[in-house]
Amino acid sequence: AQSVTQLGSHVSVSEGALVLLRCNYSSSVPPYLFWYVQYPNQGLQLLLKYTSAATLVKGINGFEAEFKKSETSFHLTKPSAHMSDAAEYFCAVSGYGANNLFFGTGTRLTVIP
Amino acid sequence: DTAVSQTPKYLVTQMGNDKSIKCEQNLGHDTMYWYKQDSKKFLKIMFSYNNKELIINETVPNRFSPKSPDKAHLNLHINSLELGDSAVYFCASRFDGGVYNEQFFGPGTRLTVL
Repeated sequence: AQSVTQLGSHVSVSEGALVLLRCNYSSSVPPYLFWYVQYPNQGLQLLLKYTSAATLVKGINGFEAEFKKSETSFHLTKPSAHMSDAAEYFCAVSGYGANNLFFGTGTRLTVIP
Repeated sequence: DTAVSQTPKYLVTQMGNDKSIKCEQNLGHDTMYWYKQDSKKFLKIMFSYNNKELIINETVPNRFSPKSPDKAHLNLHINSLELGDSAVYFCASRFDGGVYNEQFFGPGTRLTVL
């Protein structure tokens, strides 16, 4: 069975501050992990993905995430928040060859000017 | 070029009506999905088709019926619409040869049942 837990349904940061969105996963097989972003009234866009090649994954728009097996975590970070980063962020997990993605409940990021 | 497209983008209708949402992908993917996103933003998979065959059918009322005329299209037909069907419906697709299971999402269809 696979699942993800996103801690904090709502995170607020000041513009220029560090962004940290938390994701913990549970998987009975080696996981593949994803972060998607959903801007208001839009579909989901892939930010980055972990596919076992490297534990530190860099994505679009300056985001990165680190896979930590010992902590079963895949937290998303960005050194300096920008107003345009305000959106809903979803963590998701899958397994090798699996057809399905299991999504977390999402974290809404608000950036305060 | 839009990779995964959905029509309509907005759909407002009365309870009891029947409506359809269409999805098309031009990525050459083999697998397509329908998700429902509720008012709290929770994403729940509804169906998945692979080369026109149903492979995932979650616990969804049988008022919902997906149809895949070819592997580039996956439509969703909803009979006897209820208030609780109001949500955003997302279509997605995935290339089977990609073991990383990355899915590409459409822009969503916001369904409002009055």
